[in-house]
Amino acid sequence: GAVVSQHPSWVICKSGTSVKIECRSLDFQATTMFWYRQFPKQSLMLMATSNEGSKATYEQGVEKDKFLINHASLTLSTLTVTSAHPEDSSFYICSAEPFMGSNTEAFFGQGTRLTVV
Amino acid sequence: DAKTTQPNSMESNEEEPVHLPCNHSTISGTDYIHWYRQLPSQGPEYVIHGLTSNVNNRMASLAIAEDRKSSTLILHRATLRDAAVYYCILRGATNKLIFGTGTLLAVQP
Repeated sequence: GAVVSQHPSWVICKSGTSVKIECRSLDFQATTMFWYRQFPKQSLMLMATSNEGSKATYEQGVEKDKFLINHASLTLSTLTVTSAHPEDSSFYICSAEPFMGSNTEAFFGQGTRLTVV
Repeated sequence: DAKTTQPNSMESNEEEPVHLPCNHSTISGTDYIHWYRQLPSQGPEYVIHGLTSNVNNRMASLAIAEDRKSSTLILHRATLRDAAVYYCILRGATNKLIFGTGTLLAVQP
């Protein structure tokens, strides 16, 4: 199956700093990628849809200035958590697929665990 | 996006079949029924999906009710590696995957 890779797998940062998380599709191109956040013992929450060459679309309640998304190429989307605070500590997951549609399977990255201290 | 309802948790014994139910009474005609599973500290993994007919793949089978208001994921012989949270998701025109609370499957040796 297709492979989606996230980097880093985990990161610890100080409060007030920014952290960038990368999501790469290794063996296919993806015009659309999705970003999710998951708190402990909770389900995945869709944060935003990352669109190659255009602005990301954010779900209701997600601050676009806080979570900057850049999808500069067909194989890479980045999520930057700006001015991170302890409440931003979470498991961040991306997904992508070679063919977008309701009848296709999505491939997920392994996730990035962010801890803000 | 239409919602799904799943039991919070289920238990199974190793080597036995498991039937994971999902209710989706507000499904629309163009919604596909998707199943993903998530092991601890990992990203979700695709399991299976279907529209109207039952589907089989090497991981599982998906049985879809005739009225499409419910479906059942069938793991034919559960193994310890199948212990995970299983999510039943309706995927429609927005192409988004909106995750519900899922079913935590425990597999006993």
